[in-house]
Amino acid sequence: GDSVTQMEGPVTLSEEAFLTINCTYTATGYPSLFWYVQYPGEGLQLLLKATKADDKGSNKGFEATYRKETTSFHLEKGSVQVSDSAVYFCALIGWGGGYQKVTFGTGTKLQVIP
Amino acid sequence: EAQVTQNPRYLITVTGKKLTVTCSQNMNHEYMSWYRQDPGLGLRQIYYSMNVEVTDKGDVPEGYKVSRKEKRNFPLILESPSPNQTSLYFCASSLRQGAQPQHFGDGTRLSIL
Repeated sequence: GDSVTQMEGPVTLSEEAFLTINCTYTATGYPSLFWYVQYPGEGLQLLLKATKADDKGSNKGFEATYRKETTSFHLEKGSVQVSDSAVYFCALIGWGGGYQKVTFGTGTKLQVIP
Repeated sequence: EAQVTQNPRYLITVTGKKLTVTCSQNMNHEYMSWYRQDPGLGLRQIYYSMNVEVTDKGDVPEGYKVSRKEKRNFPLILESPSPNQTSLYFCASSLRQGAQPQHFGDGTRLSIL
């Protein structure tokens, strides 16, 4: 079946540092890829998405590029802020079992210190 | 304001005492889903519903029941809760199956003693 693998956290960075959170996937066909963010005490919110190979999703200074050749969708941000501290989930929508199914990674906690 | 509302937000209860977690959405979405979030396991889907009176099992349905009598409501029922169901639960909805974004509630933290 489909699967999503994320780097383990927590990731601790100083403010204004460069962020990369790795995400790789296994899926049949051509899944759509997503990053969701979960702030403390809240549900998940869609951060960005990409629906086909070489698409770049971007939002709030975050970017991720759909790389079919490496089956990856790494999340990047050039300069993180304390307010970016959250848990980040990589996810895909594929056709598992004959219907569209969302598969989430295990989440990566980001802590940004002033 | 578009939202998914879960209640209660926190609950501590004992083994075997039936409980219901309610979920309501005000966006006229067809698709609703329940997930549980556990450390190191991410989000796992419990049950989903593609429309009124249409529900199906997700990846971890054992010990749970759901119903979808109205479009806006999708309650999660634990008939006989056990400690291994201690977890953080999220309800989500979207226009239809596979549509993004999914809109998530703020979560319900259940502790079963």
